[in-house]
Amino acid sequence: TQTVSQSDAHVTVFEGDSVELRCNYSYGGSIYLSWYIQHHGRGLQFLLKYYSGNPVVQGVNGFEAEFSKSDSSFHLRKASVHWSDSAVYFCAVSLQTGFASALTFGSGTKVIVLP
Amino acid sequence: AQTIHQWPVAEIKAVGSPLSLGCTIKGKSSPNLYWYWQATGGTLQQLFYSITVGQVESVVQLNLSASRPKDDQFILSTEKLLLSHSGFYLCAWSPTGGSERLFFGHGTKLSVL
Repeated sequence: TQTVSQSDAHVTVFEGDSVELRCNYSYGGSIYLSWYIQHHGRGLQFLLKYYSGNPVVQGVNGFEAEFSKSDSSFHLRKASVHWSDSAVYFCAVSLQTGFASALTFGSGTKVIVLP
Repeated sequence: AQTIHQWPVAEIKAVGSPLSLGCTIKGKSSPNLYWYWQATGGTLQQLFYSITVGQVESVVQLNLSASRPKDDQFILSTEKLLLSHSGFYLCAWSPTGGSERLFFGHGTKLSVL
């Protein structure tokens, strides 16, 4: 069974700062990794994904993530945050390709961006 | 463009009362459909998924049931609500035949009193 861990429950940054949200997973095979954002009281929105190839993937709104097989990680980064980036961020991992039924979500990291 | 609509936006219900939540996807033929539950401030728990009309798979047992009466519609229901059913319910879809990416609705906030 794959697991995904987000070690930081909360992160507070100032507008314009950079931010990195950590995600670690446990599984030895081929996996599919993704990040989602959830603004308060809303559904989740897809940010980016990784399956193979370049370990650094670009997403929407200036987000990027880097896959590391040696560290079993898929950390999310943004160079300069905006107040609208305040939200909860979920990392997700799946073993199966082609079907989202096996997606496992992390516990989420709440990001607060201060002016 | 595909759209996903969930109803209602919010519900306040009494323990023991019935519940029906709905989800409609427009602009996409034969999507895979999912129901997720999210406790306040918590992670997402997948409840059900469906890959075709009339077929629904249960992932966890929470005294809830789901049905897919039409290709574009997914219904979550129970005859008797429990306090533990409170939370945020999210419907999602993914394309048939290959995508782990989920497209979520805006969710329904359920408060059971």
